[in-house]
This record gives sequence, structure tokens and C-alpha cells, in this order.
Amino acid sequence: DADVTQTPRNRITKTGKRIMLECSQTKGHDRMYWYRQDPGLGLRLIYYSFDVKDINKGEISDGYSVSRQAQAKFSLSLESAIPNQTALYFCATSDFQGDNSPLHFGNGTRLTVT
Amino acid sequence: AQTVTQSQPEMSVQEAETVTLSCTYDTSESDYYLFWYKQPPSRQMILVIRQEAYKQQNATENRFSVNFQKAAKSFSLKISDSQLGDAAMYFCAYRSAYRDDKIIFGKGTRLHILP
Repeated sequence: DADVTQTPRNRITKTGKRIMLECSQTKGHDRMYWYRQDPGLGLRLIYYSFDVKDINKGEISDGYSVSRQAQAKFSLSLESAIPNQTALYFCATSDFQGDNSPLHFGNGTRLTVT
Repeated sequence: AQTVTQSQPEMSVQEAETVTLSCTYDTSESDYYLFWYKQPPSRQMILVIRQEAYKQQNATENRFSVNFQKAAKSFSLKISDSQLGDAAMYFCAYRSAYRDDKIIFGKGTRLHILP
């Protein structure tokens, strides 16, 4: 089983709909992140959370919200989806302790907003 | 603010040959970490190699090695004996040693392997 699980894998939705992308992890990491990937733009940080009570905006948080329901669960919501939110979304975790810990990624959710 | 630049959007290499992917970064921090991630068509993000800024020795993982030039702020990835399975998008990433949120990715280089 994957250590970082994202659901759904793919999703098509209509403009104006509310949608939630879910992420769960079994790695026991405190730090969780949501990234968005667009062709030619790399990965950009949407939100990150260092523990259940600590949530922070990233580079491109407008139009998104998050919820850290438990240490292992971090969901991303689009309150009213728009076509330019069509992208590949990644959840990632890390156990950063001042060392070279990498990000551990889920398999991504491809979201299409029509 | 830190930036990561991958100047080669696409590259091609013949199977079994060696290829080098470029990455430069800009930072005023003295301590940080650098990573290369691979994203094959399956879209999974896979860690290829990592480097601590305080280490002078270049990291190596099997056929993958880096050329880390701290003064030049350069972190290139060398793939030796290229294989068809190396075809992927490669991302260079910078991580601050001081702040968890400062994990910055380059825009990626798509690597094609020619049989």
C-alpha cells in the first residue's frame, strides 16, 4: 500500500462546483503539503500544515482551502471550481528535522474543470 | 527570495549514453538541501538524489550523480548509461534548512531516451 494516498486519482467537474481532494498518510509525518503542477510551471505550493492546529498559506492559496482533520489526513477544497484550476494536484509529507528529508508524494489527482 | 532555474525544457539522449541536466538556484542562505525528482509518465514523483549544501562531496546513486558547485549555485544531474526507463520529467528542488515551507521547484526538464 502507498504511504501517501490521494483520492480521487482523476476528477472532472463543472465550473462553480465545490470539490474536495483527499490525502492520507501512514508515514507518521507531521508536515503535509498541497502542490499544484501545471505544464511549464513546475510545482507550486498551495497550503502546508505542520500539525493539526497549524495551517499556512503557500504561494497560490487563492480559491483554495484546506482542512487537517488528523495528523494523517489533509484535504484540499475548491469552494467554487473554475477552469484555470485544471491541473495535477499533489499531496506530500515530510519529517523535516533540520536534515535532508525529502518530500514524499502521493500519486496525484488530475482535476479537470469544464 | 529563492529561485530555481532549469534552463533546458527538453533534452534527448541516445540509449546507453550520458546526459547532464542543468539546475541553478539563487539564495542568500548558507545552509540548504538540493534534490532531483523524477516524474515518469505514471506521474509519480520519485526522489532521485539529494545533496546537503555543507557537504563538498558530490552525491551519487548508482547511475545518477550530481555536480554541486556551491559558489556558482549550480546543481546538475548526470545520468550515465541512459536507459529507456529514464525517460521522464526531472525536477530540481531547493529546500531551506531554516524554514519548512521553502521547498522550491524548478519548472522541469523533459528527458527523452532515443533507442
